[in-house]
Amino acid sequence: AQKITQTQPGMFVQEKEAVTLDCTYDTSDPSYGLFWYKQPSSGEMIFLIYQGSYDQQNATEGRYSLNFQKARKSANLVISASQLGDSAMYFCAMRERGGADGLTFGKGTHLIIQP
Amino acid sequence: DTGVSQNPRHKITKRGQNVTFRCDPISEHNRLYWYRQTLGQGPEFLTYFQNEAQLEKSRLLSDRFSAERPKGSFSTLEIQRTEQGDSAMYLCASSSGALVDYGYTFGSGTRLTVV
Repeated sequence: AQKITQTQPGMFVQEKEAVTLDCTYDTSDPSYGLFWYKQPSSGEMIFLIYQGSYDQQNATEGRYSLNFQKARKSANLVISASQLGDSAMYFCAMRERGGADGLTFGKGTHLIIQP
Repeated sequence: DTGVSQNPRHKITKRGQNVTFRCDPISEHNRLYWYRQTLGQGPEFLTYFQNEAQLEKSRLLSDRFSAERPKGSFSTLEIQRTEQGDSAMYLCASSSGALVDYGYTFGSGTRLTVV
């Protein structure tokens, strides 16, 4: 079974609109962390936001927020007021405390912001 | 500190040749990770080091792959007898601790093409 599922292979959004990228995860570990990364065409993975499984509040970082619904095992990324520079691949990832030390990634969503 | 550095950025090699990639992590980070990313997929975990000790290896890391971190600083990933299926982006990341909420900083990757 997939540990991280991103159901949107691609999305087109108008500039200045808000966009929600979906991510669901599967774990039986009570302690885990969820990450979102941005990967432009240049290839580097840019860290955007982190949510811990015990965090009481949804994480926010500037224009990025994470809509964390623990019971549904959902960790959607919300980008407010999208910009042309937001066009990139976006990956959701998880690390389980009891698991391997590395991150498990989803397949990504290709976001294209249109002027 | 300029972040995680990977060299070379691109490598084209003939099938059957050996290749070696280098990763220089953030200096104060004691953990170093290698990932492989094929086209249209998220990164997949290969292996990680804590200081100079290689603590975990994925089943993706066949016998033709070897990674070292001899002095607990930079790391090398060698692929022997390359195959066309080895064509991918090889990403290195580093982190400062074992807790789930420590961030992972990625390099820009080495894109390998086997012809």
